[in-house]
Amino acid sequence: QVQLVESGGGVVQPGRSLRLSCAASGFTFSNYALHWVRQAPGKGLEWVAVISYDGSNDGSNKYYTDSVKGRFTISRDNSKNTVYLQMNSLRAEDTAVYYCARDIGGSGYFYFDYWGQGTLVTVSS
Amino acid sequence: EIVMTQSPATLSVSPGERATLSCRASQSVSSNLAWYQQKPGQAPRLLIYGASTRATGIPARFSGSGSVTEFTLTISSLQSEDFAVYYCQQYNNWPRTFGQGTKVEIK
Repeated sequence: QVQLVESGGGVVQPGRSLRLSCAASGFTFSNYALHWVRQAPGKGLEWVAVISYDGSNDGSNKYYTDSVKGRFTISRDNSKNTVYLQMNSLRAEDTAVYYCARDIGGSGYFYFDYWGQGTLVTVSS
Repeated sequence: EIVMTQSPATLSVSPGERATLSCRASQSVSSNLAWYQQKPGQAPRLLIYGASTRATGIPARFSGSGSVTEFTLTISSLQSEDFAVYYCQQYNNWPRTFGQGTKVEIK
């Protein structure tokens, strides 16, 4: 069965960095795009970033929401079935549960059919 | 950015009754619209994609309709397990955007 397990959350001071991981199993990881979606406490869902199946580094297969561009970087290691979210220059407004979600396709152009359980990131001094 | 607006914010319904949730896009998203259900402390679950196609394992009491900018999720006869928050999401444009959610609560 498809499983996505996030880790790496915690409490971090403003301006510092954190790296989230999402370990996948139960499917051919390299065939699918993966997204990060976050949810601030008591709030709705906000899409953060996506990386396509091949994870090429030319920038054409990664997209970000405007509020994290230049601060967050999504990457993947297909040999480890893991997607990452490197978060730099963290702000209080980045406080949220971060979910990893699988796209139904490899390009990242579609919707999310499986979600992880989420990992909580708290940015506070 | 496409803004997705859901209404109402909260819907109070008795078990067995019909619930109708609305989602409006600020510009056309064609039929590239999904619905998710989220229960407290849980991750969202895909219900509907392509505006009207039920995801695998979703009961027939859930149905979606609409296109372009106006969409509806209908739950024909609410069961106890259906009380949750429902989100619409467009996947026609970047960035992907969600509505703010409709909470379906027990009347």
